[in-house]
Amino acid sequence: GQQVMQIPQYQHVQEGEDFTTYCNSSTTLSNIQWYKQRPGGHPVFLIQLVKSGEVKKQKRLTFQFGEAKKNSSLHITATQTTDVGTYFCAGRNNAGNMLTFGGGTRLMVKP
Amino acid sequence: EPEVTQTPSHQVTQMGQEVILRCVPISNHLYFYWYRQILGQKVEFLVSFYNNEISEKSEIFDDQFSVERPDGSNFTLKIRSTKLEDSAMYFCASRRTGTGELFFGEGSRLTVL
Repeated sequence: GQQVMQIPQYQHVQEGEDFTTYCNSSTTLSNIQWYKQRPGGHPVFLIQLVKSGEVKKQKRLTFQFGEAKKNSSLHITATQTTDVGTYFCAGRNNAGNMLTFGGGTRLMVKP
Repeated sequence: EPEVTQTPSHQVTQMGQEVILRCVPISNHLYFYWYRQILGQKVEFLVSFYNNEISEKSEIFDDQFSVERPDGSNFTLKIRSTKLEDSAMYFCASRRTGTGELFFGEGSRLTVL
């Protein structure tokens, strides 16, 4: 079945440093989504990427979808303590409805 | 802002007991999902539901699991005979037609003793 992998599993950064998490799918995706889960919370949708090579920005967050539509990345510039949480990518393949989540990258920011 | 609501927030049960987790999806959403997350681990897909039937299910969703939309608002997940390894946070999610975004509820934490 479809597998979605994320690295790194954990990342500690000093406030102000940049952060990147990488996502790879075993199969070509129709689209990829990113979610953020605060400690003790539920996943909250951040963005969806659909087109090959697409890049989208939300303030300090930059999302990229690979040319082959099998990988993606999320980059945060100048992290803040409010960025703390686990960032999940989630891929949907062409076959259906199911959104498969990656293992997540837990971001910790030291003030 | 409309949201997905889930009850109970926490349920403790004995192994072998039946459990029903309830969800009220956002009212104009037609696609419904159950995911689970074992503490600190990934969010795992269980089942998707559309037009009053299951559209996809994972290997986790075996004969012990069932879903139902008993009326126009509720969407339930039943575990017939709970096992220790069913202990997890169960998230319900819904989405509108034509969009990919999933709206998650706050989750129901299930503890099986």
